Amino acid sequence: EAAVTQSPRNKVTVTGGNVTLSCRQTNSHNYMYWYRQDTGHGLRLIHYSYGAGNLQIGDVPDGYKATRTTQEDFFLLLELASPSQTSLYFCASSDAGGRNYAEQFFGPGTRLTVL
Amino acid sequence: QQNVQQSPESLIVPEGARTSLNCTFSDSASQYFWWYRQHSGKAPKALMSIFSNGEKEEGRFTIHLNKASLHFSLHIRDSQPSDSALYLCAVTPNAYKVIFGKGTHLHVLP
Repeated sequence: EAAVTQSPRNKVTVTGGNVTLSCRQTNSHNYMYWYRQDTGHGLRLIHYSYGAGNLQIGDVPDGYKATRTTQEDFFLLLELASPSQTSLYFCASSDAGGRNYAEQFFGPGTRLTVL
Repeated sequence: QQNVQQSPESLIVPEGARTSLNCTFSDSASQYFWWYRQHSGKAPKALMSIFSNGEKEEGRFTIHLNKASLHFSLHIRDSQPSDSALYLCAVTPNAYKVIFGKGTHLHVLP
């Protein structure tokens, strides 16, 4: 089964701080995604990537940067964190176009609190 | 932008009941339709998917899809307390993007 890991699992920072969330997948999936999950909003796509060096803009990208350094590693960067970015962040991978059509395999999540 | 809506927002049923969760979508060209389940404090995990109109059954779970009505649903037979979770429907407009609904909180009382 697909394996996606995230670090850190919990993070507290202050307004204006820099935060980097890390994600690694070991399934050789081509697509990786960053979502945020908030009560009343469900899962919302921030950024996604189809391979090393590629970045695609998601539905709620403002205030976030992302970088895909390798097939396995995808990072989410908050350069000037704001309290509105307090959320639960999930990374996911997908073998887009493969047998399990766009099935998302999620990591365990990172809970970020911006004070 | 695809609009995916779920109903109800929350549902409480007794153990053994038949539970029905609903999802509507706005783009008739959508290709795959998913249900994900997320237990408290855990990550979402794919439960079932369907591609063509009709019905698909896996154990106690059944998906119905009606593309013309822009509607699909998840039915749980003999609901168990372990089924208590957040259920997310999702639509794939293409091979690489998934759009999720806001979810239905299901509580199955023992």
